[in-house]
Amino acid sequence: DAGVIQSPRHEVTEMGQEVTLRCKPISGHDYLFWYRQTMMRGLELLIYFNNNVPIDDSGMPEDRFSAKMPNASFSTLKIQPSEPRDSAVYFCASSLYGGSGNTIYFGEGSWLTVV
Amino acid sequence: SQQGEEDPQALSIQEGENATMNCSYKTSINNLQWYRQNSGRGLVHLILIRSNEREKHSGRLRVTLDTSKKSSSLLITASRAADTASYFCATVPSGNTPLVFGKGTRLSVIA
Repeated sequence: DAGVIQSPRHEVTEMGQEVTLRCKPISGHDYLFWYRQTMMRGLELLIYFNNNVPIDDSGMPEDRFSAKMPNASFSTLKIQPSEPRDSAVYFCASSLYGGSGNTIYFGEGSWLTVV
Repeated sequence: SQQGEEDPQALSIQEGENATMNCSYKTSINNLQWYRQNSGRGLVHLILIRSNEREKHSGRLRVTLDTSKKSSSLLITASRAADTASYFCATVPSGNTPLVFGKGTRLSVIA
């Protein structure tokens, strides 16, 4: 079975440019999560969706970040305009159910470098 | 804010030795999970232990949970070079919110 699929795997962009990260969750999973990982801050939850509806976006750093889930098989995380401090690995993950007892399945990440 | 904190931050051992990593958390939990992340890859679920369990085994992995001390440990026995990775504990601070991960322990197993 295909896991969580993210694209692009690597992106280098210039400050001020728009960045769009894409995610296809595991089919049948009701929850989708966007995490960001940096050395300094570790793994941070940015936003999560349940049945395509955003539930909690309190982790989104600022208005430059936005996320959408137009259907059950696709989500995007957009940064506009990008800044060097946005450089990080962005992970999309999905799970069948919510709550602490459920396994979260991660994609391989999108490595973003903003210069 | 971090719910779980792993200790040590980094650990280097020889192949064949046992590796122990610890996790402390702040609030009451229903269960606790451990994940592994190989370099350049996503996190992969290893094991889940429920709050009413004290110990759980999976292959060479042994996880313990002490809810009175709000701590858990992950033991990898007879380590191999392929165990080199970062290991994270994850819990849910409250209700039905998503998992919150610690910063992880970086394990290096030297052949």
